[in-house]
Amino acid sequence: DVKVTQSSRYLVKRTGEKVFLECVQDMDHENMFWYRQDPGLGLRLIYFSYDVKMKEKGDIPEGYSVSREKKERFSLILESASTNQTSMYLCASSPAGVISGNTIYFGEGSWLTVV
Amino acid sequence: AQSVTQLDSQVPVFEEAPVELRCNYSSSVSVYLFWYVQYPNQGLQLLLKYLSGSTLVKGINGFEAEFNKSQTSFHLRKPSVHISDTAEYFCAVKVVNDMRFGAGTRLTVKP
Repeated sequence: DVKVTQSSRYLVKRTGEKVFLECVQDMDHENMFWYRQDPGLGLRLIYFSYDVKMKEKGDIPEGYSVSREKKERFSLILESASTNQTSMYLCASSPAGVISGNTIYFGEGSWLTVV
Repeated sequence: AQSVTQLDSQVPVFEEAPVELRCNYSSSVSVYLFWYVQYPNQGLQLLLKYLSGSTLVKGINGFEAEFNKSQTSFHLRKPSVHISDTAEYFCAVKVVNDMRFGAGTRLTVKP
């Protein structure tokens, strides 16, 4: 089974703090994604990465950055956390190339509260 | 980029009734289409997907969906729902490496 592991399930951070959300996948997938999930808005793509050191902006990249130094790990960084970044953050991975239609697999999610 | 519209934010239905959750997408290129389900306090899991071939796709738990290219739709259906189908359902469209989701439809099955 594919496993996507998010390092923290619940976090509480203060406004202005730098926040790191870590995600690791164990299936050698090329693609990795960060979404945030908010009621009534569904899942919105923040960033995705299709290879090591490669990244693409999604729909809502403002206030976030990402890092992909190793294939299995994709980190989401909030440079200066704000209360409107309180949300559920979901990491996902999928294979790429000729099988790019394949399923993406999600982690359990990280609940971030910024106070 | 591609986009997804789920036409109903909430769908209440009685147990054993049929249900249809509507999804429309926009894209200038060929797409892959997915439905995911999220049960309360759980992660997302795949219900079904359309990659190519037959436009009627069957998934887990008795759900099916039909890809309609001319109407750019991928509606999800179940002929008879159970209380346990109460969940949030997300339609998604994938182009190459980029995957986007709809806002979700909350299905509530009442006894």
